[in-house]
Amino acid sequence: GAGVSQSPSNKVTEKGKDVELRCDPISGHTALYWYRQSLGQGLEFLIYFQGNSAPDKSGLPSDRFSAERTGGSVSTLTIQRTQQEDSAVYLCASSQRGGLAVYYEQYFGPGTRLTVT
Amino acid sequence: AQSVAQPEDQVNVAEGNPLTVKCTYSVSGNPYLFWYVQYPNRGLQFLLKYITGDNLVKGSYGFEAEFNKSQTSFHLKKPSALVSDSALYFCAVRANNNDMRFGAGTRLTVKP
Repeated sequence: GAGVSQSPSNKVTEKGKDVELRCDPISGHTALYWYRQSLGQGLEFLIYFQGNSAPDKSGLPSDRFSAERTGGSVSTLTIQRTQQEDSAVYLCASSQRGGLAVYYEQYFGPGTRLTVT
Repeated sequence: AQSVAQPEDQVNVAEGNPLTVKCTYSVSGNPYLFWYVQYPNRGLQFLLKYITGDNLVKGSYGFEAEFNKSQTSFHLKKPSALVSDSALYFCAVRANNNDMRFGAGTRLTVKP
């Protein structure tokens, strides 16, 4: 079946502009995660959605970052007033959730490479 | 909060030799441990996980990992490395919540 998809694959923007990154999770997966991967760095957790529960926003680096998930499916990560340090690959992942959510691995999308000039 | 350490930024092995990519973790409560691989210009792929039971878990592409509770380690291993195994490997840990923490990654290079 279809995996996690993300769009756009690449985005170049000028400093100070707003950007929106989109994620389509695997159908039926109720958990959705956003991560950021900077060059030579590991994965930095940004935000987590689980069903209709309030999202875990503890990883968002500043109030310029926000995310929504509409209808429990598609998610959009928005970065306002972009800065050069926001340049990174933004990864989305989804996973199943049953009674033992911690057991399930995540499935990652290909990422969006954001370059802020 | 849980955390993961991958002490080696880079691991180099010759094709046909065994490989080990190290991972140690810190977590309160029972750990749920995962390994992912990232091939060049591709997304992260799940390799294997430890949830409970047998300390030696087997995963995709001939990889396996051993959970060692006393050493809080979850090293990734393969008996005979292939050039095609060259990639970036990430260890991750989750505790009794949905917060997954990843290590910084280890770049594995297998030379022919």
